[in-house]
Amino acid sequence: QLQLQESGPGLVKPSETLSLACTVSGGSINTNIYFWGWIRLPPGKGLEWIGSISYSGGTHYNPSLKSRVTMSVDTSKNQFSLNLSSVTAADTAVYYCARVGGGYGLYDAFDIWGQGTMVTVS
Amino acid sequence: DIVMTQSPDSLAVSLGERATINCKSSQSLLYSSNNKNYLAWYQQKPRQPPKLLIYWASTRESGVPERFSGSGSGTDFTLTIGSLQAEDVAVYYCQQYYDTPITFGQGTRLEIK
Repeated sequence: QLQLQESGPGLVKPSETLSLACTVSGGSINTNIYFWGWIRLPPGKGLEWIGSISYSGGTHYNPSLKSRVTMSVDTSKNQFSLNLSSVTAADTAVYYCARVGGGYGLYDAFDIWGQGTMVTVS
Repeated sequence: DIVMTQSPDSLAVSLGERATINCKSSQSLLYSSNNKNYLAWYQQKPRQPPKLLIYWASTRESGVPERFSGSGSGTDFTLTIGSLQAEDVAVYYCQQYYDTPITFGQGTRLEIK
């Protein structure tokens, strides 16, 4: 079955760029049915949507982060990526990648999630 | 942005009893053209990712036990656990996907009394 796995550094310095990848296994990312998303969970807080991307690279970002976020898709690696620039301690969180399921494009629930990766800004 | 507000923030229920979590959105999540409510519920246990329980406000995800049910329409929604089991201890989140930015409720922590 489809699985997602995040990868990237667990520690990033303030003002630098956080870069994460999500590798999709058990299925292809190259489908026009699904979008793919990033969500984070800061310590002691709730879930925050960062943004979502289609297989063709169409993006939708959270306006609160839009000036610092870039997402991309690499279909040859079956992978999509997140770059968050100019990080501060407030960006410390567990970062999850997830599939937007159901075939309704962007507007659907996240049905499959990666295990998450903790990123600390310090 | 659509603001999602859950109540209560935390809840303690005895094993075998019913647990009810509420979620209110700042605007309607009902899309008139397809009569669907763009609302999902997730369960998150410690050191695990969120797990989708309910989508379209009341459709149970495959493999989710029947004791989990979702109801409501428009701006007011409810997640009900019919008979609480020990493995249901978790934080529960509602989420709207009616419009971007996608937003979540603040979470409700469910414990055993």
